[in-house]
Amino acid sequence: EIVMTQSPATLSVSPGERATLSCGASQSISSNLAWYQQKPGQAPRVLIYGASTRATGVPARFSGSGSGTEYTLTISSLQSEDFAVYYCQQYNKWITFGQGTRLEMK
Amino acid sequence: EVQLVESGGGLVQPGRSLRLSCTASGFTFDDYAMHWVRQAPGKGLEWVSGISWNGVTIAYADSVRGRFTISRDNAKNSLYLQMNSLRAEDMALYYCAKDIMRYPYYMDVWGKGTTVTVSS
Repeated sequence: EIVMTQSPATLSVSPGERATLSCGASQSISSNLAWYQQKPGQAPRVLIYGASTRATGVPARFSGSGSGTEYTLTISSLQSEDFAVYYCQQYNKWITFGQGTRLEMK
Repeated sequence: EVQLVESGGGLVQPGRSLRLSCTASGFTFDDYAMHWVRQAPGKGLEWVSGISWNGVTIAYADSVRGRFTISRDNAKNSLYLQMNSLRAEDMALYYCAKDIMRYPYYMDVWGKGTTVTVSS
């Protein structure tokens, strides 16, 4: 099983600032990585797939990067609606999720 | 409208069984892999099981392998999860999720979930 590790567990950032979330895999996942956003009481929503491709309707302030075992989700200028929990998910070998990063308002 | 509706959750005693169902609409069900993902109260997402478009390729998380069985009925646009020997740690909101491909990639449509409570 591929283990996904996200850091930090909680990130405090002010609106308008940049947020950088990290996700590491226990082995290479060849950019087979998706990022999801989950708000309270809602199902997750896919933001990024293929490590760097934005899903339909996702604002350009969201970007993904990385390769091999290390990946990053960057939100360039935080809006109020971006404060949520973010999960990475690998699909190189079936499916595993990271434990999530809670992005909170500073 | 693309939609997934889960049902079958409820209160069950430890060691007992429960069968979850997910009914799909608004898309060609047998063109896509499907998954069950759960979320314990206040916790993160945990992938439980997935099944390919034709039901041939199946996998489970280590935590449920041997106790849970995933299946699908493409004629009924339905996904199922048979859960046996339930434990307290299985208590969670169970989501049904549609993959974007015939084999596991990532999920683009999620249901609202059905809650499973395991307690005596």
